[in-house]
Amino acid sequence: AQSVAQPEDQVNVAEGNPLTVKCTYSVSGNPYLFWYVQYPNRGLQFLLKYITGDNLVKGSYGFEAEFNKSQTSFHLKKPSALVSDSALYFCAVRDRTGGSYIPTFGRGTSLIVHP
Amino acid sequence: NAGVTQTPKFQVLKTGQSMTLQCAQDMNHEYMSWYRQDPGMGLRLIHYSVGAGITDQGEVPNGYNVSRSTTEDFPLRLLSAAPSQTSVYFCASGRGEETGELFFGEGSRLTVL
Repeated sequence: AQSVAQPEDQVNVAEGNPLTVKCTYSVSGNPYLFWYVQYPNRGLQFLLKYITGDNLVKGSYGFEAEFNKSQTSFHLKKPSALVSDSALYFCAVRDRTGGSYIPTFGRGTSLIVHP
Repeated sequence: NAGVTQTPKFQVLKTGQSMTLQCAQDMNHEYMSWYRQDPGMGLRLIHYSVGAGITDQGEVPNGYNVSRSTTEDFPLRLLSAAPSQTSVYFCASGRGEETGELFFGEGSRLTVL
């Protein structure tokens, strides 16, 4: 079975400060991990993914995420937040073993960047 | 690039009415799926398809029906609408690879009175 948890419903950060949106996962094997962003009244957009290799993954709009196998985490980060980063962020996981293509999504974290 | 196209964007139904939400993708993706998004519930998978002629149930399939007669189209049918089906519905497609990301439509907001 695969699952993902986003422990914070909402994250507040001031513009220009670094931001972190947390994600932890549970899989029976090794994971494929994804981050998506949803702006108001829009569909989800892919940000970045971890497949294998370097634990630090860089994605769109200056976002990056760090895969930590020992802590089963894949936290989303950005060095300097923008007001325009305010959106809903979803983490998703697929288990490499088991053969299921279907990803499991977290419940989402609302990021609010204050001017 | 059209990507994933959903219609209609908004719909109001009365309890008991039926309707179809349309989803089309022009990326030749094998995998297509329908989610509903409700406050505090995240995304819940309704039905999915791994290719033309193949469909399967997700987490919350009751009250919904799907078919996949072509690679491009994956309509979602509400058989007899209920207020509990008031939600925002998203169609998503993917290449059918475990490492691949999903591509989402813009959503269809449905209200059942």
